[in-house]
Amino acid sequence: EAGVAQSPRYKIIEKRQSVAFWCNPISGHATLYWYQQILGQGPKLLIQFQNNGVVDDSQLPKDRFSAERLKGVDSTLKIQPAKLEDSAVYLCASTSPSGNTIYFGEGSWLTVV
Amino acid sequence: DQQVKQNSPSLSVQEGRISILNCDYTNSMFDYFLWYKKYPAEGPTFLISISSIKDKNEDGRFTVFLNKSAKHLSLHIVPSQPGDSAVYFCAASVGGYQKVTFGTGTKLQVIP
Repeated sequence: EAGVAQSPRYKIIEKRQSVAFWCNPISGHATLYWYQQILGQGPKLLIQFQNNGVVDDSQLPKDRFSAERLKGVDSTLKIQPAKLEDSAVYLCASTSPSGNTIYFGEGSWLTVV
Repeated sequence: DQQVKQNSPSLSVQEGRISILNCDYTNSMFDYFLWYKKYPAEGPTFLISISSIKDKNEDGRFTVFLNKSAKHLSLHIVPSQPGDSAVYFCAASVGGYQKVTFGTGTKLQVIP
């Protein structure tokens, strides 16, 4: 079974630039998450999708972050404009309706300079 | 407001000995607890979980203990192996395994 795929793995951008991350969850997983993990901290949930609908985006900084999952499969997370404090690993994860755990991708590492 | 706390950022243990990783939580509504393991440059992987109706769950070398009155859980690894060296995240949720809140992690080093 293929895991959660993410790209790009690494990205360096200047502040005020924009960046987009892509995620393809495990096949058949209806629930998709984006987490932000800042160095030295635990992952923090940014947004949760159920199919193509948003379940929870209460911790998403909506003035600069956006995410979509138009067809209920893959998803993109966009940051525009980026700030220095956005430097983090962006983790995509998914779960199945009957599963009891969250499966994470390897993450997309963002450095804002 | 850190609802899940791992107060030890790092832990070193000799191979073959027991590793004990601790976690405290403040939200009394949490009813499902998980441990994740993370190697460098990889995403976290699920290790073991426990629901609030239990006080112990065991899976091979890994055992999780839950003390609801103290709002404390711990992960025991016996015997510890060098391959266990990783960052361990404690996590908790309300109503199941989704939308978990993570702790800050404890970096375990198992010394051969």
